[in-house]
Amino acid sequence: AQTVTQSQPEMSVQEAETVTLSCTYDTSENNYYLFWYKQPPSRQMILVIRQEAYKQQNATENRFSVNFQKAAKSFSLKISDSQLGDTAMYFCAFMKWWGNKLVFGAGTILRVKS
Amino acid sequence: ETGVTQTPRHLVMGMTNKKSLKCEQHLGHNAMYWYKQSAKKPLELMFVYSLEERVENNSVPSRFSPECPNSSHLFLHLHTLQPEDSALYLCASSLSGYTSTDTQYFGPGTRLTVL
Repeated sequence: AQTVTQSQPEMSVQEAETVTLSCTYDTSENNYYLFWYKQPPSRQMILVIRQEAYKQQNATENRFSVNFQKAAKSFSLKISDSQLGDTAMYFCAFMKWWGNKLVFGAGTILRVKS
Repeated sequence: ETGVTQTPRHLVMGMTNKKSLKCEQHLGHNAMYWYKQSAKKPLELMFVYSLEERVENNSVPSRFSPECPNSSHLFLHLHTLQPEDSALYLCASSLSGYTSTDTQYFGPGTRLTVL
């Protein structure tokens, strides 16, 4: 079975600074997908970024980028130029190559301070 | 309405009540999901429907009963719940239930409190 671990329950960052959220996972699969989802307070969870395990290049979406280390089974999220609207719970998630089941980590609460 | 909607947004029920949660997706997707989000626990997948057929039941107690009458609507019928069932119940949808290239789109959730 796959497991996803987010070791940082809460983090804070000053507006305009950079923050990195950690995620590790355990799997015996060789091909799979990894995701970061964002859940703002009282709002819907939305996809931030996703990475295919067979791609060596790290995914990037505007201010959000990942550091994918397949051998280490690590998938961290870097948020550059943090904004107040980035305040949310961030979930790391795993999905097998062929399947629809998302396995989530426990989440990291990120607070961006002005 | 666009995206994935859920009603009600908040629900308080007694342990002997029967209630239903509703989810509707306006995205033309073919797969729908129920997740449970408890405090300080990872999101747990409960059920998956693809083309109105249940394809996954993640060992959920029978007091939770899903129903998918068509590809746009998903219900979760609740009866004789326990206080530990109090949680945020999230609905999601994706284009297809059988390929992992599809992003899952989530609804806002129903905050359920069982007294």
